[in-house]
Amino acid sequence: DAEITQSPRHKITETGRQVTLACHQTWNHNNMFWYRQDLGHGLRLIHYSYGVHDTNKGEVSDGYSVSRSNTEDLPLTLESAASSQTSVYFCASSSLVAGELFFGEGSRLTVL
Amino acid sequence: GQQLNQSPQSMFIQEGEDVSMNCTSSSIFNTWLWYKQDPGEGPVLLIALYKAGELTSNGRLTAQFGITRKDSFLNISASIPSDVGIYFCAGRRSGAGSYQLTFGKGTKLSVIP
Repeated sequence: DAEITQSPRHKITETGRQVTLACHQTWNHNNMFWYRQDLGHGLRLIHYSYGVHDTNKGEVSDGYSVSRSNTEDLPLTLESAASSQTSVYFCASSSLVAGELFFGEGSRLTVL
Repeated sequence: GQQLNQSPQSMFIQEGEDVSMNCTSSSIFNTWLWYKQDPGEGPVLLIALYKAGELTSNGRLTAQFGITRKDSFLNISASIPSDVGIYFCAGRRSGAGSYQLTFGKGTKLSVIP
């Protein structure tokens, strides 16, 4: 079955370190998204991509970057982790046709 | 970014009761989606609605796409303990950026056995 997987599921890091969260989907979807989820804020869009080599900023993109070198993967990088980036991160993908979003299981990041 | 107004924020109900929740917006959406999130997991798609006035069921769940295209409703009949979780609505517009979703902040459902 097609799926979307995130790794690591849990990570603890220190302020200032670079962190990369991986996202891999086997749906062959063109569209991929990264969200963060925090109490009181719901799901907020960080970055998204509509295809290979395409990346776009979402509403909370500062301090984050993504790259799309193939259809299956959209890694999220925190260049210099900050405590404000402690959150649960969700990757999601959708096809061009239906637009229904399918989510990964999430990556819980703690920045100390 | 814009959020949908989802209500109620939380609800406690007795097992067997019916549940209703809704989402409203000042903007028009062309697609409404309802998700459920269990603790420690990602949101899972429950129902997708594509036409104004559409009423769609998935087991005990029924969702409606409002006629004005600015709202949507989710009903759960005869609730059971495994219905516990957070329910999110999401809307999708047409045109530029139409693959992005706007999310409500969720309704946390607790079911008392």
